Amino acid sequence: DAGITQSPRHKVTETGTPVTLRCHQTENHRYMYWYRQDPGHGLRLIHYSYGVKDTDKGEVSDGYSVSRSKTEDFLLTLESATSSQTSVYFCAISLPGPGLALSKSYNEQFFGPGTRLTVL
Amino acid sequence: ILNVEQSPQSLHVQEGDSTNFTCSFPSSNFYALHWYRWETAKSPEALFVMTLNGDEKKKGRISATLNTKEGYSYLYIKGSQPEDSATYLCAFLRGSQGNLIFGKGTKLSVKP
Repeated sequence: DAGITQSPRHKVTETGTPVTLRCHQTENHRYMYWYRQDPGHGLRLIHYSYGVKDTDKGEVSDGYSVSRSKTEDFLLTLESATSSQTSVYFCAISLPGPGLALSKSYNEQFFGPGTRLTVL
Repeated sequence: ILNVEQSPQSLHVQEGDSTNFTCSFPSSNFYALHWYRWETAKSPEALFVMTLNGDEKKKGRISATLNTKEGYSYLYIKGSQPEDSATYLCAFLRGSQGNLIFGKGTKLSVKP
């Protein structure tokens, strides 16, 4: 158990409002990821982080921003939510834990429980 | 753009049937190939991480093979059970510092 939680688990919001999703991990893992899952698309990477204040864009980053001010928390913000951002959002961490190079883990990922976001 | 293709998109089998599906990925600069099992309303869980050409991995009734030269991996389920019903995802890792590129998955339904 990688100790990953996501909050909220469900959210309904209106177009144009900002939304922040939180991913929290308890194992001090360095690498964290945000994905979205949509029918017909599988999992697509939004943003990722390789340490505190170190983040980078993934495949579908437009309309999203992230922040990581503490190792344990990785926040995903929809600056002005649109209906196309209705999706299930998964946070993930990858092995290894602190002090080891990513290359030694082959980036095996552990996923949080997901957040279902509906933008009306 | 890297494409990871999975086939078939969905599969319906009877309990006891053996089944297999395919993941195709770019053969250049291969680093690792992952298989994940994703049950409805749950999170994806890693099944296998495969790194060497010719790798074969097994977990219970599920096994996987890897051919990095031609860019494909097979996942086999022997004697499918209803609890095997899930979406099976593969993900390709190019280079040691890259991110995973996921396929769209194969959705398996096993009828009792």
